[in-house]
Amino acid sequence: EPEVTQTPSHQVTQMGQEVILRCVPISNHLYFYWYRQILGQKVEFLVSFYNNEISEKSEIFDDQFSVERPDGSNFTLKIRSTKLEDSAMYFCASSAQGRDGYTFGSGTRLTVV
Amino acid sequence: AQSVTQLDSQVPVFEEAPVELRCNYSSSVSVYLFWYVQYPNQGLQLLLKYLSGSTLVKGINGFEAEFNKSQTSFHLRKPSVHISDTAEYFCAVSDNTDKLIFGTGTRLQVFP
Repeated sequence: EPEVTQTPSHQVTQMGQEVILRCVPISNHLYFYWYRQILGQKVEFLVSFYNNEISEKSEIFDDQFSVERPDGSNFTLKIRSTKLEDSAMYFCASSAQGRDGYTFGSGTRLTVV
Repeated sequence: AQSVTQLDSQVPVFEEAPVELRCNYSSSVSVYLFWYVQYPNQGLQLLLKYLSGSTLVKGINGFEAEFNKSQTSFHLRKPSVHISDTAEYFCAVSDNTDKLIFGTGTRLQVFP
């Protein structure tokens, strides 16, 4: 079964530091997403990416966030200057056809201290 | 705007008993509906989805869900649960875009 792979599984960073969360989507998928889940809360949409550009982003996805597909296989989420409230589980997902169902990765737990 | 309501934050049930996890949605357009399961310390796994057609949808692990347009519901059911079904279950909706809007989740706890 093809998988979406996320690294690292855990990341601890100091407030104000930049972090890059990495994802390897399923190879023939064309749609890519980032979601986050703050501890004890619901999963929230951050951004969708298709054809090398952002197709939609949420209010959470402000100027501190960016996404990139640097080499045709990886899909990264960068947070430029982390805040305490960025602590969450971040999930990457990919899809072959968009809204008819994604495959999620197992997540990166980001802790900002 | 879309929203998803999962009415029960926790559902305790004994092994081999039936279970129903409730999900209601609001949307002004036709929707796609999903149930995802999250086992402890793992990611989100798709259980089943409704895109169109038959309103009764069968998924993995013996789960099924019924789309009811008039009641705007998509309740998840299983006739006989196992200990291994203990997990968090999320209902999600997608309308004309491809982002998912999730409910707050229902924690299913199965006791021996």
